[in-house]
Amino acid sequence: DAEITQSPRHKITETGRQVTLACHQTWNHNNMFWYRQDLGHGLRLIHYSYGVQDTNKGEVSDGYSVSRSNTEDLPLTLESAASSQTSVYFCASSAGSGRADTQYFGPGTRLTVL
Amino acid sequence: GNSVTQMEGPVTLSEEAFLTINCTYTATGYPSLFWYVQYPGEGLQLLLKATKADDKGSNKGFEATYRKETTSFHLEKGSVQVSDSAVYFCALSAYSGGGADGLTFGKGTHLIIQP
Repeated sequence: DAEITQSPRHKITETGRQVTLACHQTWNHNNMFWYRQDLGHGLRLIHYSYGVQDTNKGEVSDGYSVSRSNTEDLPLTLESAASSQTSVYFCASSAGSGRADTQYFGPGTRLTVL
Repeated sequence: GNSVTQMEGPVTLSEEAFLTINCTYTATGYPSLFWYVQYPGEGLQLLLKATKADDKGSNKGFEATYRKETTSFHLEKGSVQVSDSAVYFCALSAYSGGGADGLTFGKGTHLIIQP
C-alpha cells in the first residue's frame, strides 16, 4: 500500500546543531508539505513543494530549509537548531493542484532541542 | 489572510451524547473546508470535507455543512462513542492560483468521551 513515512520518529539534539528530518511518500504525489504542531497553535505551514526543484516558504519558514530532488522525498533541515524549534513536525502530500485536494499526513517526528 | 477559529476545549461528554464543535473561518476567495482527526500518538487523518456552499461532508457518523453566509463549518455527531476521543482540527484550503496551497488550521479541539 502507498504510504507516507517520516524518520526519525523521535530526535533529541542540542542548540546550534544542524538537523534533517526525512519525509518519504510512495503515492507519487506532486505536492508535499511540512507543518509544525505546537500547543495553542494547531498546525502551521513551514515549507511546501509543487514538484521536483520547486520549493516555497510557508507561514513559519525562518530557520528551516527544504529541497526537492525527486518526487518521493522532501527533507526538512534546521540549519542551526534553536529551543524554539522544539515541536512535533508533520509531513503531508497531495496529488493534484486544486484547493479541494486531500492532504495525507505522516506519523510525525517529535524533535526536542536542548 | 486566512484564519480558522474553533473551540479549544477540552470538551468532555458522556457516551451517546450529541456533539457539536464550532468552526468559523476567514478567507480570501472561495475556500474548501476540512475536518481532520488526530488520535493519540498518530498523524492527522481526513474526517470529512466540503468544497462549496451548502455542501455537507459526512463520514463515520460525523457531519458538517459549508455555510458561506455565516462562514462556518461546524462538526456534529448524534451519538458519540469512547473511540471518538481525539483531537479534531478544522482547516481550510484557499487556491492562490499557483497550485495546491498548504492548509490553514484551527488550534484543535480535544474531545474526551467518558463511558
